[in-house]
Amino acid sequence: EADIYQTPRYLVIGTGKKITLECSQTMGHDKMYWYQQDPGMELHLIHYSYGVNSTEKGDLSSESTVSRIRTEHFPLTLESARPSHTSQYLCASSDPRRSTDTQYFGPGTRLTVL
Amino acid sequence: SQQGEEDPQALSIQEGENATMNCSYKTSINNLQWYRQNSGRGLVHLILIRSNEREKHSGRLRVTLDTSKKSSSLLITASRAADTASYFCATSTGGSYIPTFGRGTSLIVHP
Repeated sequence: EADIYQTPRYLVIGTGKKITLECSQTMGHDKMYWYQQDPGMELHLIHYSYGVNSTEKGDLSSESTVSRIRTEHFPLTLESARPSHTSQYLCASSDPRRSTDTQYFGPGTRLTVL
Repeated sequence: SQQGEEDPQALSIQEGENATMNCSYKTSINNLQWYRQNSGRGLVHLILIRSNEREKHSGRLRVTLDTSKKSSSLLITASRAADTASYFCATSTGGSYIPTFGRGTSLIVHP
């Protein structure tokens, strides 16, 4: 099991609410990622970070924002949730000192916006 | 567009049979990795093959890479019901080393 955690695991929330999905890892990895995945579909990279104070947008346009104030934390925030944000959100980390870039994933947060 | 494309999209077999999944990609890669995802969970890394390798083994897993055809295959031998999961290939290209995932193959192994 990888040492990467996500909370909450499940979240059902109403439209317009602000939410923050938490992700933390204890492996000291500099690189962290957020993916969005609909059931049975591919993973879409929405944000990534090379390290503290580094954040980049991924391939999929997203209305979410991220921050990286500490190495171990990479929270994702939706200022105003909408039904179109309903999906599974997966956080991952990797060690850039290893050229293979093997990713370690958290268990995911399944978000439902009513 | 996505780099990796797995096929088949779904595969249903009996316990004890072998399962083969394929991944095709478009551009030159640094390496290719296979991941497994159980329903409702995150992905777990299975095996990595570098662009200068042709075959790798890990337990009941065998991965091949054909860079001339830009394709890879994952073979699971003597499958078990516990192998039921989705399997994704992920390719890394260029200098960014950010893997790109395909849509995955959904494998069901019937006891």
